[in-house]
Amino acid sequence: EAGVAQSPRYKIIEKRQSVAFWCNPISGHATLYWYQQILGQGPKLLIQFQNNGVVDDSQLPKDRFSAERLKGVDSTLKIQPAKLEDSAVYLCASSPPWAGGEAFFGQGTRLTVV
Amino acid sequence: AQSVTQLGSHVSVSEGALVLLRCNYSSSVPPYLFWYVQYPNQGLQLLLKYTTGATLVKGINGFEAEFKKSETSFHLTKPSAHMSDAAEYFCAVSTSGTYKYIFGTGTRLKVLA
Repeated sequence: EAGVAQSPRYKIIEKRQSVAFWCNPISGHATLYWYQQILGQGPKLLIQFQNNGVVDDSQLPKDRFSAERLKGVDSTLKIQPAKLEDSAVYLCASSPPWAGGEAFFGQGTRLTVV
Repeated sequence: AQSVTQLGSHVSVSEGALVLLRCNYSSSVPPYLFWYVQYPNQGLQLLLKYTTGATLVKGINGFEAEFKKSETSFHLTKPSAHMSDAAEYFCAVSTSGTYKYIFGTGTRLKVLA
């Protein structure tokens, strides 16, 4: 089966600019996640969708980050305006609709803010 | 709420030696436990998982882990390290109904020739 697709793989922007990341999950996976992974740290959950509804966005910096999952399939994460501390890898993952199923991850987007 | 603690941010072993990466979890309900591996510039790949049943679980690439409820641990082992095992390893916890995965801070494994 096809995996989780993310684009772009790499992005370099200047601070205060905006950027968007795209994710297409595995077909049939109702739950979609965006994680932020800062160098040397574990992935931190930013937002979790169940179909096209938000389940948890408690750690999403809502003054600058936004995410949507239209039609319950693919998703976009946006940062506007970007700060230097947003430099990280942004990982998208999806999981199947049964308990105990593992999350499947995309290759991530490495964002560098200069 | 769930949490994961990985002891040792860096572990070095000689090629052919035992690999032991430590993970302790906290959960108020029965957990699902996972080990993922991450190679440079890649996403996370599942090594193995524990959901229910047998507490010793075997994964890919010769890795295995044992769920010990009394110790709230899920340590990852491999009898003989290979150079290709050099990577970062993450332990994660989830619970039924939340579909939420909480990750530890990771352990970077270095394999010495």
